[in-house]
Amino acid sequence: EAQVTQNPRYLITVTGKKLTVTCSQNMNHEYMSWYRQDPGLGLRQIYYSMNVEVTDKGDVPEGYKVSRKEKRNFPLILESPSPNQTSLYFCASSPWTGTYGYTFGSGTRLTVV
Amino acid sequence: KNEVEQSPQNLTAQEGEFITINCSYSVGISALHWLQQHPGGGIVSLFMLSSGKKKHGRLIATINIQEKHSSLHITASHPRDSAVYICAVLLRPNTDKLIFGTGTRLQVFP
Repeated sequence: EAQVTQNPRYLITVTGKKLTVTCSQNMNHEYMSWYRQDPGLGLRQIYYSMNVEVTDKGDVPEGYKVSRKEKRNFPLILESPSPNQTSLYFCASSPWTGTYGYTFGSGTRLTVV
Repeated sequence: KNEVEQSPQNLTAQEGEFITINCSYSVGISALHWLQQHPGGGIVSLFMLSSGKKKHGRLIATINIQEKHSSLHITASHPRDSAVYICAVLLRPNTDKLIFGTGTRLQVFP
């Protein structure tokens, strides 16, 4: 089944403890991206990647890192999480940039205490 | 002012009604997307538009590039259409930044 898989679905962590949210797609898509969703603010783009080893900042990249060493994987790294990074995170992929539809992962609900 | 504005924020309808959700944007774009977020949180792509009109089942999406406006229509609405509908714009070529509206929450009652 064609899908984007995010892990974990739920995570509670403490301030400052490094964490990684994984994202993997099995559709050979070139484009992958991370978003966070907050009440009243909606979805906001964190980082995106057009291809392996190519990443760029979205609207709210501060406090996050990404890497794209393989086409299928695009992990989101929080080196030193803070409570303002408590949010619902989505990964998505697309065959090529945004001129095709997106396939979204199921989301990761992160709480930083 | 947000670069992407949706209206209304909330919408209730009776089953069978014709629904319209609007999206206006103030930036140059290369494409506009309509997304549906289910009550469980999952997000599905409905349409990608760069011009004109697209139809899929009971859903119709239109875009007017000159007026910087798009509409999503649902004909013969059904309770299973209850969801949040989100408009997102892909900024002009040479960037793949995506800017989202804050969504329209639709509830359709039997």
